[in-house]
Amino acid sequence: EAEVAQSPRYKITEKSQAVAFWCDPISGHATLYWYRQILGQGPELLVQFQDESVVDDSQLPKDRFSAERLKGVDSTLKIQPAELGDSAMYLCASSINRVAEKLFFGSGTQLSVL
Amino acid sequence: SQELEQSPQSLIVQEGKNLTINCTSSKTLYGLYWYKQKYGEGLIFLMMLQKGGEEKSHEKITAKLDEKKQQSSLHITASQPSHAGIYLCGADPGSYQLTFGKGTKLSVIP
Repeated sequence: EAEVAQSPRYKITEKSQAVAFWCDPISGHATLYWYRQILGQGPELLVQFQDESVVDDSQLPKDRFSAERLKGVDSTLKIQPAELGDSAMYLCASSINRVAEKLFFGSGTQLSVL
Repeated sequence: SQELEQSPQSLIVQEGKNLTINCTSSKTLYGLYWYKQKYGEGLIFLMMLQKGGEEKSHEKITAKLDEKKQQSSLHITASQPSHAGIYLCGADPGSYQLTFGKGTKLSVIP
């Protein structure tokens, strides 16, 4: 079965450094989501793409976070500079289109900021 | 904004016992999704409910959406160690994205 690919699996960085996460959705999935999950909490949406366009980034801390999906396929989420409070699991998900019934999630990137 | 409250927050059951997890929404649900998450991993889709009174089953897991479409329950029959994990309910607030509850952590003791 096709899967959403994410890398790296784990990332340890020092505060004030830049970090980047990569996501490759299931082939043919037009909608891509980045979620952040703090330990003990449910995932919270950071940004939603439809093809290469941002549909919703209202919860993205734009002073330090950026996301792009230039060719409407894979996507990169960047944090610069990282802060201690950014330590969390970053999950990527994709769906066929915006009205799709199901989101498929990747295994996530576990970020630790020291 | 739509908020989902899950109960209980955590649950410890002995293998073979039945259990129920609840998810309550502050607004009418357009769609209610159940996911399972192993610690430190991504979410795995379990079931989706859309119609009031709808009930779906997969293996030993049954999910139901109430008639008013504001509450859902997930029931596991004869629990097994493989059922252990975090169960999350998610809802579409009408903007083609999912909002999640905080999750219920299930431990199954052999």
